[in-house]
Amino acid sequence: QVQLQESGPGLVKPSETLSLTCTVSGDSISISPYYWGWIRQPPGKGLEWIGSVYYSGWTSYNSSLKSRVTISVDTSKNQFSLKVSSVTAADTAVYYCARVSYGAKRWLDPWGQGTLVTVSS
Amino acid sequence: EIVLTQSPGTLSLSPGERATLSCRASQSVSTSYLAWYRQRPGQAPRLLIYGASSRASGIPDRFSGSGSGTDFTLTISRLEPEDFAVYYCQQYGSSFTFGPGTKVDIK
Repeated sequence: QVQLQESGPGLVKPSETLSLTCTVSGDSISISPYYWGWIRQPPGKGLEWIGSVYYSGWTSYNSSLKSRVTISVDTSKNQFSLKVSSVTAADTAVYYCARVSYGAKRWLDPWGQGTLVTVSS
Repeated sequence: EIVLTQSPGTLSLSPGERATLSCRASQSVSTSYLAWYRQRPGQAPRLLIYGASSRASGIPDRFSGSGSGTDFTLTISRLEPEDFAVYYCQQYGSSFTFGPGTKVDIK
């Protein structure tokens, strides 16, 4: 059974870079046909797609965040990571990682439990 | 970018009742790319339906999805206590986008 777990600082200062890692168990990123993605949810609000990465390093980003977001993969650790630069209070959210299907059907499953990142000085 | 609208915003029902949730897209969506998720309080979303009508692994048959084009529906035939939650529809065009959600609460 595939499981994903987010990790990283829960507090980031404005203008700094938010960095999170997602550790995958039960599936190998380097041989899986799936992609790996990030989604965020501001407190009390809806879901926003951030982007995804394939084991080869291919990435796809939400156009509204593209200039500030970098997603990368480390197959040796079976992990993928998210960086968001120049953060503001608007980046405060629960950040989720998820497995992504870009096949004949497009869906996100499973999701990690999520980690709250607060942007504040 | 395709925009998804969900209605109603809140649905107040009793356990055992039938719930019908709507998701409308600003332009036609491939049925293959339409999915539904349930998010319980304090938890991550869970995939319920993909391809507009296929149940995800482990999802009970009280959940069903239908629709095509711009109008899609999630139906819960008999609400169980764990079904009182927020439901999101999702589509894939050039990127994934989500609807604003429908909250199903206890009447």
